[in-house]
Amino acid sequence: GDSVTQMEGPVTLSEEAFLTINCTYTATGYPSLFWYVQYPGEGLQLLLKATKADDKGSNKGFEATYRKETTSFHLEKGSVQVSDSAVYFCALSDLTGANSKLTFGKGITLSVRP
Amino acid sequence: KAGVTQTPRYLIKTRGQQVTLSCSPISGHRSVSWYQQTPGQGLQFLFEYFSETQRNKGNFPGRFSGRQFSNSRSEMNVSTLELGDSALYLCASSLFQGINEQFFGPGTRLTVL
Repeated sequence: GDSVTQMEGPVTLSEEAFLTINCTYTATGYPSLFWYVQYPGEGLQLLLKATKADDKGSNKGFEATYRKETTSFHLEKGSVQVSDSAVYFCALSDLTGANSKLTFGKGITLSVRP
Repeated sequence: KAGVTQTPRYLIKTRGQQVTLSCSPISGHRSVSWYQQTPGQGLQFLFEYFSETQRNKGNFPGRFSGRQFSNSRSEMNVSTLELGDSALYLCASSLFQGINEQFFGPGTRLTVL
């Protein structure tokens, strides 16, 4: 079945540091890929998405490129802020069969210190 | 436009009881999905409803059930609660089934004692 693997956490960075969070996936079809963010006490917010190979999703300074050859969707940000502290989830959705089910990675906690 | 709303936000129950959680999707959205989030298992898909019909189901026991009403609002029910059912239950809505952009509510935190 479909699966998503994220790098182990947590991650602690200083403000303005460069961020990379690794994500790889396994899917039988041609999935869409997502990054969701969860702030303390809240639900998930869609951060960015990519629907086909070589697409780059971007939002709020975050970027991720859909790499079919390496089955990866790594999240990057050039300069993190304290306000980026949250839990980040990589996810995929395989629309084969026309369902909206999302398969998530375990999530990684990012802490950014001033 | 109001987002996805879930009620109640917090719930405490004891083992053996049953519980019903409610989700109101974004206006105009017709597909509702439910997820369970726990520290150990992460985020797991429970089920998806579209046009009042369950379209997809995750790997959960029959104690977990749901339904969707004609106005797209959805409820999920857990019967004979177990300690392991303690979790954050998240609801997500999308315009139609098979649309991959989903919008999540804040969740209902269920604690089973």
